[in-house]
Amino acid sequence: EAEVAQSPRYKITEKSQAVAFWCDPISGHATLYWYRQILGQGPELLVQFQDESVVDDSQLPKDRFSAERLKGVDSTLKIQPAELGDSAMYLCASSSQGRDTEAFFGQGTRLTVV
Amino acid sequence: QKEVEQNSGPLSVPEGAIASLNCTYSDRGSQSFFWYRQYSGKSPELIMFIYSNGDKEDGRFTAQLNKASQYVSLLIRDSQPSDSATYLCAVSYNTDKLIFGTGTRLQVFP
Repeated sequence: EAEVAQSPRYKITEKSQAVAFWCDPISGHATLYWYRQILGQGPELLVQFQDESVVDDSQLPKDRFSAERLKGVDSTLKIQPAELGDSAMYLCASSSQGRDTEAFFGQGTRLTVV
Repeated sequence: QKEVEQNSGPLSVPEGAIASLNCTYSDRGSQSFFWYRQYSGKSPELIMFIYSNGDKEDGRFTAQLNKASQYVSLLIRDSQPSDSATYLCAVSYNTDKLIFGTGTRLQVFP
């Protein structure tokens, strides 16, 4: 069964260090999302890609976060420098393009900043 | 800012009862509506989607959409303890932007 792959599953990093997360969407899915989910809250959209282009990054803290999807397939989300408040679950999801399509999530990366 | 609102709960129901989860949204341009289930420490799992006004049934789950009133609901019939989880409502717009509510925690007790 096709699924969204994310790595690593868990990451502990010290504040001010750099950290990166990787996502490989379901094959053929043009839309890729990165979400951040703080414990007890709903997922917050950080960035949305359509193929290799950013469609929405209005909630991405661009002073420290960056995201890329160079070949329109897999994607990397980077945080530099990490802050204590970045501790959260980082979720990647993908969907096929167009209306009436469902998004499927990877297992997520649990980030702890110490 | 487009918003999706849910009561955080917890919603407690006895085993075998009907659980009713509600969600309201602010943008009338919203086109597609999804319900995800999320167990503690896990990622969201899609359980239902609905695009048109009315009801959509899938097994024990029924999604209801009323675009005029801007609400979508999820009914879970014959609730089981394994249904205990957080249920996230999500709304999609014409750019495929997908916005989530904060989720409602459901507890089904034996």
